[in-house]
Amino acid sequence: GENVEQHPSTLSVQEGDSAVIKCTYSDSASNYFPWYKQELGKGPQLIIDIRSNVGEKKDQRIAVTLNKTAKHFSLHITETQPEDSAVYFCAASTNDMRFGAGTRLTVKP
Amino acid sequence: GAVVSQHPSRVICKSGTSVKIECRSLDFQATTMFWYRQFPKKSLMLMATSNEGSKATYEQGVEKDKFLINHASLTLSTLTVTSAHPEDSSFYICSARDPAQGQHGYTFGSGTRLTVV
Repeated sequence: GENVEQHPSTLSVQEGDSAVIKCTYSDSASNYFPWYKQELGKGPQLIIDIRSNVGEKKDQRIAVTLNKTAKHFSLHITETQPEDSAVYFCAASTNDMRFGAGTRLTVKP
Repeated sequence: GAVVSQHPSRVICKSGTSVKIECRSLDFQATTMFWYRQFPKKSLMLMATSNEGSKATYEQGVEKDKFLINHASLTLSTLTVTSAHPEDSSFYICSARDPAQGQHGYTFGSGTRLTVV
């Protein structure tokens, strides 16, 4: 089955800096790669996603890149703000969704 | 957009009792729902895939007699933790797939924190 690895597990940045989180996946059949933000005690919220026929997607301060050949994808957050502090999960999907281990992002004011 | 309602948000039960968690798709019909379990500071682990009108498909290592899943309608799936024990304490999250959004139209519920005492 699909195995998703995510790094780093924790990330601390200064407000205004960029944050990058990287994931790799094992199943070449995976064709959908969402990123979720989870705040304490809540369910995950989709923040951006990318499909396997696209290499890059951007939405304001958030961007995701996908390298199908290498089976890795990354989340980039620019101009970070304290409210970006949360746990971020990558996932890879075919018929079901498998999550990475999560990255706890802390943005220091 | 698509909304998934999960209830209750928190529940405390005694060891040996059963607890039912509901997952409802409010504005769409979900032929497929998924149940995840999340331990503190850990990732979401897929427990089972629930298909309307048929038996759920459980992931390896998940006891189907312990975690009963019923997907009796296109808008409701339930997860019942039977004979709960303290080690079943966890955060349970459901997600539903909206067919109108294609293969990847997943929406997550807000989760249920189960504490077994």
